[in-house]
Amino acid sequence: EPEVTQTPSHQVTQMGQEVILRCVPISNHLYFYWYRQILGQKVEFLVSFYNNEISEKSEIFDDQFSVERPDGSNFTLKIRSTKLEDSAMYFCASSEGWGDLLEPQHFGDGTRLSIL
Amino acid sequence: SQQGEEDPQALSIQEGENATMNCSYKTSINNLQWYRQNSGRGLVHLILIRSNEREKHSGRLRVTLDTSKKSSSLLITASRAADTASYFCATERFGGATNKLIFGTGTLLAVQP
Repeated sequence: EPEVTQTPSHQVTQMGQEVILRCVPISNHLYFYWYRQILGQKVEFLVSFYNNEISEKSEIFDDQFSVERPDGSNFTLKIRSTKLEDSAMYFCASSEGWGDLLEPQHFGDGTRLSIL
Repeated sequence: SQQGEEDPQALSIQEGENATMNCSYKTSINNLQWYRQNSGRGLVHLILIRSNEREKHSGRLRVTLDTSKKSSSLLITASRAADTASYFCATERFGGATNKLIFGTGTLLAVQP
């Protein structure tokens, strides 16, 4: 069964450094998402992306965050200047459709980001 | 703001027993979904129920939805040790710009062999 893959599985970065988290969504999916889960807390929505632009973003997704689909397969989340509070598990998800074409979102195994 | 809350927060049962988890939410929704998360892993989609549906089955899973009470339940029948995981409900808000999911706090299920 096709799956969403994320790399790396664990990223350790010094505070203030830039980090890029990578995701390869399922190939025929058109809608892409990033979520994060701080240890012991809920999974939180960050951003959704369709047709090469952001569809919706949360309050968490401030100017330090950006997303990109640089080619036909990758979907990346960049944090420009990391803070300690950015330490979390970051999940990428993709779906085939939504609304009347609703399909569930499929999640990757996540990247654990640790900011020192 | 829309928020899902599951109860119980933790549930421990014996293999073969049934497990019931509940979820409540606050605003109107298009659909509600249940996900499973094994420790250190990603979220696995289990079942989706639309706002105009009341009950749905998938294998050993049974989900109900009561939109008047803004609540849902997930029943796992004849549980197995492999069902040990965290279970989350997630709602898609009615009229939202995208189908972003709002997750609940989760129920940690432990099935003792």
